[in-house]
Amino acid sequence: DAGVIQSPRHEVTEMGQEVTLRCKPISGHNSLFWYRQTMMRGLELLIYFNNNVPIDDSGMPEDRFSAKMPNASFSTLKIQPSEPRDSAVYFCASTIWGSRGRLNTEAFFGQGTRLTVV
Amino acid sequence: QKEVEQNSGPLSVPEGAIASLNCTYSDRGSQSFFWYRQYSGKSPELIMFIYSNGDKEDGRFTAQLNKASQYVSLLIRDSQPSDSATYLCAVISSGGSYIPTFGRGTSLIVHP
Repeated sequence: DAGVIQSPRHEVTEMGQEVTLRCKPISGHNSLFWYRQTMMRGLELLIYFNNNVPIDDSGMPEDRFSAKMPNASFSTLKIQPSEPRDSAVYFCASTIWGSRGRLNTEAFFGQGTRLTVV
Repeated sequence: QKEVEQNSGPLSVPEGAIASLNCTYSDRGSQSFFWYRQYSGKSPELIMFIYSNGDKEDGRFTAQLNKASQYVSLLIRDSQPSDSATYLCAVISSGGSYIPTFGRGTSLIVHP
């Protein structure tokens, strides 16, 4: 398996523009996470899907952020309009909820999208 | 708010020494504990997990868990320059969501 695939790897955009980040989880995984990583705040959970259904979006910063998972093999994170403070590395991770017992839920991360909003 | 705290470092150790990384957590009902390694510019990758009190060894790595004191640590024996990275502690807490909450990570530098 190719692992979790994210695109694009790098994105530079102007303030006010719409940005869409994409993620393909590992085949067979039923849980997907979007995280944002910055030096100041570390790795923050934005939203969590289980079986394509959003379970917890309490980490989404504000209404400018939205995420979808139309099927088991694809998810998007959209920022509209983007702002300079959104600059960060955005990671998608997937896992099988319940594998080897729920205590051992290893999250597999994609390579991330480095977003720069100027 | 469920907190996972780590010293940001950097922790600098000489090659061959033991590196000790620590993590504390606030939710006493936490169930599972993970150590991820993240090289600069790369994504986190799992090194070890532990869910029972005591020590768990895997090669040069030992995870230690003390639920009464709410801390988990990672020991790296015979540290190598290739171990230089940021080490992230992650905790799965009680409540049924099974979402890993990450600390900010500790930067480790192993110098020759």
